[in-house]
Amino acid sequence: GAGVSQTPSNKVTEKGKYVELRCDPISGHTALYWYRQSLGQGPEFLIYFQGTGAADDSGLPNDRFFAVRPEGSVSTLKIQRTERGDSAVYLCASSLYRTPQETQYFGPGTRLLVL
Amino acid sequence: SQELEQSPQSLIVQEGKNLTINCTSSKTLYGLYWYKQKYGEGLIFLMMLQKGGEEKSHEKITAKLDEKKQQSSLHITASQPSHAGIYLCGAAGSQGNLIFGKGTKLSVKP
Repeated sequence: GAGVSQTPSNKVTEKGKYVELRCDPISGHTALYWYRQSLGQGPEFLIYFQGTGAADDSGLPNDRFFAVRPEGSVSTLKIQRTERGDSAVYLCASSLYRTPQETQYFGPGTRLLVL
Repeated sequence: SQELEQSPQSLIVQEGKNLTINCTSSKTLYGLYWYKQKYGEGLIFLMMLQKGGEEKSHEKITAKLDEKKQQSSLHITASQPSHAGIYLCGAAGSQGNLIFGKGTKLSVKP
């Protein structure tokens, strides 16, 4: 079946602009995670959804970052007033349920470059 | 907070050689994941270990979790160019999110 998909694959924007990154999880997966990966680093947790609600947003760096999952499937990560430091690969993952034993399947990521 | 340290940071091996990558946790591991990442692609799930002493294999890749559940190793036998990439270990956090090491970059010379 289809895996996790993310769009766009690449996004170049100017400092101060607003961007939206989209994630389509595997069908039927209730848990959805967003991570951010900087060059030479492992992915860092941003936010987690169980169904439609953000169960844990403790990884969001500041209030410029916001994510939604209105119907419990597709999720959008929104970044306001982008800064050069926001440049990174944004990864989305989904799992069947939210337990440490459930494998998370990752999408290909969105490469964001803020000029 | 839990931290994962991977060693080595990078590795260059001749095709056909064996190699081992290590992942050490600052706290007891309750679930340890190994992923592989290639440039332009997302993370590909390799294996998940939960029990102390557990060992799993897939094709030429074997992963182990030590008895104390604070260290895992990934061993590749008879490496091939297709094994090249970045190997990441991830520990399951209390909320289900994963905490990752910085990765080990593997290059295989033909």
